[in-house]
Amino acid sequence: VQLLESGGGLVQPGGSLRLSCAASGLTFSTYAMGWVRQTPGKGLEWVSSINGGGNTTSYADSVKGRFTVSRDNSKNTLSLQMNSLRADDTSIYYCVKGRFPERCVDFDVWGQGTMVTVS
Amino acid sequence: DIVMTQSPLSLPVTPGEPASISCRSSQSLLHRNGYNYLAWYLQRPGQSPQLLIYLASHRASGVPDRFSGSGSGTDFTLKISRVEAEDVGVYSCMQGLQSYTFGQGTKVEIK
Repeated sequence: VQLLESGGGLVQPGGSLRLSCAASGLTFSTYAMGWVRQTPGKGLEWVSSINGGGNTTSYADSVKGRFTVSRDNSKNTLSLQMNSLRADDTSIYYCVKGRFPERCVDFDVWGQGTMVTVS
Repeated sequence: DIVMTQSPLSLPVTPGEPASISCRSSQSLLHRNGYNYLAWYLQRPGQSPQLLIYLASHRASGVPDRFSGSGSGTDFTLKISRVEAEDVGVYSCMQGLQSYTFGQGTKVEIK
């Protein structure tokens, strides 16, 4: 199983960015997926999750109303639309795979991460 | 929100010796299905985190048997029976019962 993120970069405060995660080596639609971020030198923070069917989403309070998670099971792709970006959104964003269809519970596969800098 | 607290935050270790990390949650992580929704991750320098232990005591695929997890409710422990040089990095616990929250991380380094 491999997860490959893309879409990170430098964006001004208030701007938008869309992250993508291409998954391979798994039956994508049968697993919940998510995003976890890490501020360089600091801890890990869960951002958002989506179930295998794509009809149930959840968000951390820090991003609720600004970020939107989605998935395209026909393309094995997970996305994170990030709007109204703030300086404290600056982080490495990891795409993660859960172990179950409806909820991740924990994350057994991580991507290599993509850096988002808001400045 | 469930708060996860790890100790120690820094752990110098000697190769061949055992090591132990504690993780406490502000609420019980015991699900009605009988499992504790507690996971342990290791992030080696320059790498992404990897799952070591899930449901408090189950080793993830490919994880050496020198790693073990124990505990229930609010108190959990990760043990390394004999530390190897490749075990250096930051260890984090995470609860998956109500959303997901991570501990602060414990940095393990060789003495």
